[in-house]
Amino acid sequence: QLVLTQSPSASASLGASVKLTCTLSSEHSSYAIAWHQQQPEKGPRYLMKLDSDGSHSKGDGIPDRFSGSSSGAERYLTISSLQSEDEADYYCQTWGTGIQVFGGGTKLTVL
Amino acid sequence: QVQLVESEGGVVQSGGSLRLSCAASGFTFSSYGIHWVRQAPGKGLEWVAFIRYDGSDRYYADSVKGRFTISRDNSKNTLYLQMNSLRAEDTAVYYCAKDWGFLAAAGTSLYYFDYWGQGTLVTVSS
Repeated sequence: QLVLTQSPSASASLGASVKLTCTLSSEHSSYAIAWHQQQPEKGPRYLMKLDSDGSHSKGDGIPDRFSGSSSGAERYLTISSLQSEDEADYYCQTWGTGIQVFGGGTKLTVL
Repeated sequence: QVQLVESEGGVVQSGGSLRLSCAASGFTFSSYGIHWVRQAPGKGLEWVAFIRYDGSDRYYADSVKGRFTISRDNSKNTLYLQMNSLRAEDTAVYYCAKDWGFLAAAGTSLYYFDYWGQGTLVTVSS
C-alpha cells in the first residue's frame, strides 16, 4: 500500500533552517512526491515536485530558500532563513494510476 | 495567472445533495485533468476525485464512490462535483486543484497538483 509518513510537528527559530521529512512506504521508495504549504486559514500552495534522485522543480514564485532532496525512501524539504510567514502546515503528496496519497502533514512553528 | 475559484458551499442536511463548481482561468482548461480535494475541520488533506482533461476517465476515493460525481464543461472552463447522500463526515473545505499532466491519456498516471483554489466550506448537519 502506498503510504506517506510525516512527523506531526517541527519547530525552528527565526532565521534558522529546518528540514522536514516525508517517508514513502518501502516498496515505493523510487516514487516522486510533491510538497505543498498551507498557511493558517488559507488554501494549499504547491511548492515543488521532488524526484528520487533529488532533482526538483518549484512552483511559480517559490523563493530559493525552499529546496528539496532525497535519500532512499525519504524526501526532504529544507527551508532556510526561516521567516514568520513560513509557519504553516506542510504536506507531501504522491500519485499513481487512479490514486492520490497525502502524508498527514507537519505543522511547522517558527520560534 | 492561473486561477481556480470554487462556488460557495453551504449547509445541507444529512442525506441531502449539493453541487459545487470550480471556475478556471489563466490556462487551457481543456488540456488538463482536475481534482477535488477536501479537508475536514482540523484535519489533513484528502483526495476526493479526478477527471481527465477530456472527461474520458474519472477516479474517486473509496469514501465517496457511488455518492459523488465529478464532471466538467470545457466550453465553460468549469469543473463540477455533484454530492449526493451527504453524511456528517463529508463536512469539509473542498478545493479544486489542477493536475500537472498535459493531455495525459485515459488510464495513465495522475500527477501532482500544481495550482489550488481557495476552497469552499460544505457543512452537513445531522
